[in-house]
Amino acid sequence: DTGVSQDPRHKITKRGQNVTFRCDPISEHNRLYWYRQTLGQGPEFLTYFQNEAQLEKSRLLSDRFSAERPKGSFSTLEIQRTEQGDSAMYLCASSSDRGGGLAAYEQYFGPGTRLTVT
Amino acid sequence: RKEVEQDPGPFNVPEGATVAFNCTYSNSASQSFFWYRQDCRKEPKLLMSVYSSGNEDGRFTAQLNRASQYISLLIRDSKLSDSATYLCVVATGGFKTIFGAGTRLFVKA
Repeated sequence: DTGVSQDPRHKITKRGQNVTFRCDPISEHNRLYWYRQTLGQGPEFLTYFQNEAQLEKSRLLSDRFSAERPKGSFSTLEIQRTEQGDSAMYLCASSSDRGGGLAAYEQYFGPGTRLTVT
Repeated sequence: RKEVEQDPGPFNVPEGATVAFNCTYSNSASQSFFWYRQDCRKEPKLLMSVYSSGNEDGRFTAQLNRASQYISLLIRDSKLSDSATYLCVVATGGFKTIFGAGTRLFVKA
């Protein structure tokens, strides 16, 4: 399967613990995005990378959140000192400049990591 | 005011009906627009990009009105399989993309 993969699919953690999620984008996709989605809402932008460079971060992304994409391939999202309000689905998506125009914005999503903070 | 706002829904329609979804965006500098579909407990999937002149893909028609900062999606001859949440997406500066909250559609036999 050559789609976007995320690991783990589910994570239950206690408040105050650190968690790390991984995303593997579609091969050769140069852009990678992280979103958070809660019930009844659309995905909320967190950050995105172009290759290994993190180009934008949401103001909603507190200093407890950090994302990396060290070699421009897979990415990790770490949440430190988790809070109950962090419980959500964390989605990763990737896109490619190939094709240009609107095609460069078309994102392909992974299945998400569901985080539950108890 | 939210950057991207959609009809709150849900929409309940019979099979064969025509249904329209509306979306407004607040950033006049927004450049690119999309509709995504999200099935229950699944990830969003691209339905269609929205071109400036409007575009059609089978039963689906998307329109953009930059002056009014408004995007629409029309589904004709609704099928049971169209039941899903429809997400309006706007790309602002660079490649940052903002999703609306979505409008849930239920198509009933």
